[in-house]
Amino acid sequence: DQQVKQNSPSLSVQEGRISILNCDYTNSMFDYFLWYKKYPAEGPTFLISISSIKDKNEDGRFTVFLNKSAKHLSLHIVPSQPGDSAVYFCAAKSSGNTPLVFGKGTRLSVIA
Amino acid sequence: EAQVTQNPRYLITVTGKKLTVTCSQNMNHEYMSWYRQDPGLGLRQIYYSMNVEVTDKGDVPEGYKVSRKEKRNFPLILESPSPNQTSLYFCASSLKWGLAGRYEQYFGPGTRLTVT
Repeated sequence: DQQVKQNSPSLSVQEGRISILNCDYTNSMFDYFLWYKKYPAEGPTFLISISSIKDKNEDGRFTVFLNKSAKHLSLHIVPSQPGDSAVYFCAAKSSGNTPLVFGKGTRLSVIA
Repeated sequence: EAQVTQNPRYLITVTGKKLTVTCSQNMNHEYMSWYRQDPGLGLRQIYYSMNVEVTDKGDVPEGYKVSRKEKRNFPLILESPSPNQTSLYFCASSLKWGLAGRYEQYFGPGTRLTVT
């Protein structure tokens, strides 16, 4: 059973507009969430994270929102740039020595 | 430069021929992990290691072995590769797993393995 779901395999956005990538989870024990970005022929790189004690975390153009009651988080990129075109993975974990559980990824294309 | 390195980056082999994919990190990280990425399945953990001589199975360990004799190295061993192990493999490391709020993992560039 998939515990972390990214239901949109792909997303296309115009340069300068907002990109919103969504992620849903089923395990109520998850208390830490991360977003990774992956370019072709490279490994994933850490982008931003959020703890369950917060509902928002911002880092420059990137903001992650967490809605615990809905078991939903989203990544907002404003403004979107062509260099943001990549596959974005949502990941979650519960406390302690537990593994990261990844979603299947969403491919973002930012069109100039 | 802080990094995770993997070798080889690309490998084509035949069924049953033992192979090793090496992974090394220079950040003095305690935690290391192997993932495989397959189309439509995302990243799945194969094995992980909390520290030297401490390894454990992830979600998809069948057909793989690992060892952690030194802190910096975490090789992935396929004793008898099969075509269903054709995949993109990533090694990752983290400072100290379980340390609250420090769950970022640093990934290597990936190894694309094809087993015919």
